[in-house]
Amino acid sequence: GAGVSQSPSNKVTEKGKDVELRCDPISGHTALYWYRQSLGQGLEFLIYFQGNSAPDKSGLPSDRFSAERTGGSVSTLTIQRTQQEDSAVYLCASSLGFADTQYFGPGTRLTVL
Amino acid sequence: GIQVEQSPPDLILQEGANSTLRCNFSDSVNNLQWFHQNPWGQLINLFYIPSGTKQNGRLSATTVATERYSLLYISSSQTTDSGVYFCAALFSGTYKYIFGTGTRLKVLA
Repeated sequence: GAGVSQSPSNKVTEKGKDVELRCDPISGHTALYWYRQSLGQGLEFLIYFQGNSAPDKSGLPSDRFSAERTGGSVSTLTIQRTQQEDSAVYLCASSLGFADTQYFGPGTRLTVL
Repeated sequence: GIQVEQSPPDLILQEGANSTLRCNFSDSVNNLQWFHQNPWGQLINLFYIPSGTKQNGRLSATTVATERYSLLYISSSQTTDSGVYFCAALFSGTYKYIFGTGTRLKVLA
């Protein structure tokens, strides 16, 4: 079946603009995670969704970052007033349920000029 | 605080050699996963292994939860094994996975 998909694959934006990143999880997966990976670094947790609710938003770096999930499926990560330090690869993962195996999408590479 | 440490940070092997990668975690976990990040950045599941031992072809993993470590064994390494290996722990009572800093493996032909 289809894996986790993310769009766009690449996004170049100017400092101060807003961006939206999309994640389509594997059908039927109730858990969804967003991570950020800066160049050559490990993965930094951003937010976890169970269904449409987010019991843990503790990883969002600032109030410029927000995320939502609708219909227990697609999720959008929004970054407002982008800064150069937001440049990174944003990765989405889904799992059947909490604490089950995570499956990752290919990521969105965000570059803020 | 809770943390995940991996060793070694870098590893260079000749094709055909065996290796062991280690992941130490600081507290009890609900889940422990190993991933391989290929040169194109895709993260690929290797093992879901909160405890016990599993094998998949040339790869195997063991997690000793009571001693808070996990090992990934790569036997008869191939150039396609090159990349970064991450372990990720879901600590009990939390919702977020903590990733280690990874082991960067290069296998030479």
